[in-house]
Amino acid sequence: QKEVEQDPGPLSVPEGAIVSLNCTYSNSAFQYFMWYRQYSRKGPELLMYTYSSGNKEDGRFTAQVDKSSKYISLFIRDSQPSDSATYLCATSPSGSARQLTFGSGTQLTVLP
Amino acid sequence: DSGVTQTPKHLITATGQRVTLRCSPRSGDLSVYWYQQSLDQGLQFLIQYYNGEERAKGNILERFSAQQFPDLHSELNLSSLELGDSALYFCASSVRGATEAEQFFGPGTRLTVL
Repeated sequence: QKEVEQDPGPLSVPEGAIVSLNCTYSNSAFQYFMWYRQYSRKGPELLMYTYSSGNKEDGRFTAQVDKSSKYISLFIRDSQPSDSATYLCATSPSGSARQLTFGSGTQLTVLP
Repeated sequence: DSGVTQTPKHLITATGQRVTLRCSPRSGDLSVYWYQQSLDQGLQFLIQYYNGEERAKGNILERFSAQQFPDLHSELNLSSLELGDSALYFCASSVRGATEAEQFFGPGTRLTVL
C-alpha cells in the first residue's frame, strides 16, 4: 500500500465548475501537506501549503486537511481551462528531514 | 519561474554510461532535494542535502550519488545507466526553518537511456 493514495483520474469538468481533488495518507507522522500543479513535462509548481489540520484559502483555491481521517482535499472554484494540469498532493513529516511523499497525481481537464 | 535552475534540459545517452545533472537552488535556500519522476513510479524522493551535508536518503540506487558544493549548487551523478533510469529528474530547494517543507521545483532534466 502506498503511503499517499490519489485517484489518478482523468477528471474532466466544464469551465466554471467547482473541482474537488482528494488524497488519503497512512503515516501519522505526516505534518505538512502540499498541493502541486504540474503542466505536461514541466516542474511541479507549489499551489498550497498547510501545516496540520485545517483549511487554507488562496484565491480560487482552498486546501483542507483532516488529520483524524488522514484526508487531504483541494477545491478549485470557478475552474478555468488554464487550470488543466496534473495535480499532485504531497506530505512531509516534521523533523529535520522534510522529504516529500507524493500521490500519483490527478489529471484535470477544464473544458471551455 | 521558481528560481531553481537545472541543466541540461534533455540528456540522451546509452546504457552503461555515466551522466551528471546540475541544479542551482533559489538564492538563499540551503536545502536541495532530488526527485525522480517516472510513469510507473510517480515522483519519488532520492536524496536531500542541507548546506553541503547529506540530510536524508530515499530510494536512491547505489549507482546514483549526489553532492552539494560550497556555493550550494548540487550535482546528481548517475552511473552504469540502465534503460529503466530513463525519467524526469527534478531538483527542489527550500529555506531553513518551519517552512522547510515548502519546496520549489526546477524545470527538470529529461534523461533518455537508449
